[in-house]
Amino acid sequence: EIVLTQSPGTLSLSPGERATLSCRASQSVSSSYLAWYQQKPGQAPRLLIYAASSRATGIPDRFSGSGSGTDFTLTISRLEPEDFAVYYCQQYGDSPLTFGGGTKVEMK
Amino acid sequence: QVQLVQSGAEVKKPGASVKVSCKASGYSFTTYIMHWVRQAPGQRLEWVGWINAGSGNTKYSQKFQDRVTITRDTSASTAYMELSSLRSEDTAVYYCARYHSNSNFDYWGQGTLVTVSS
Repeated sequence: EIVLTQSPGTLSLSPGERATLSCRASQSVSSSYLAWYQQKPGQAPRLLIYAASSRATGIPDRFSGSGSGTDFTLTISRLEPEDFAVYYCQQYGDSPLTFGGGTKVEMK
Repeated sequence: QVQLVQSGAEVKKPGASVKVSCKASGYSFTTYIMHWVRQAPGQRLEWVGWINAGSGNTKYSQKFQDRVTITRDTSASTAYMELSSLRSEDTAVYYCARYHSNSNFDYWGQGTLVTVSS
């Protein structure tokens, strides 16, 4: 199975700052089938990015995804107060589908 | 609008089974695949399996292969996930999520907490 490792575990930033989150796969992710989700306490995950770099419907353009192969990045260009949450990457190109351990973006 | 509404929280004893439902509305139920994902306290999300709501075909994670059954009732636009031989490690929030071929898991249920405790 493909193991996804996210770093850092926690990112402490202030509103308006740029956030860069990393997701590294133990083997190449098929056809860049890599997604990013945001999860807030007590809520279900929310799809942000699919196919490594495509924004889901209704997602603001301050969220962007990049990468291929084994290295992927989620960038939030300017943090808004509502962006403080946990972010997960997921690969859906190979079975079993797997998720990363998450990066918590907290307010400094 | 698309909605996935799951059944309520469950408390089960070790060795018992649990069946969680996920009622879909706002779209053609049989056109999509429904996945199930769980999240144990403080743990990462974990994929359980999926069902093609049209054909009824299923695929399960090897980890749960022997204990999980995913079914659907097309007349009720509802998917079900049944997990048997429960143990304390199965305590988690279980989510259903619609799979869209263009965008992956685009809609999620609100989650169902299953607690396994003696």
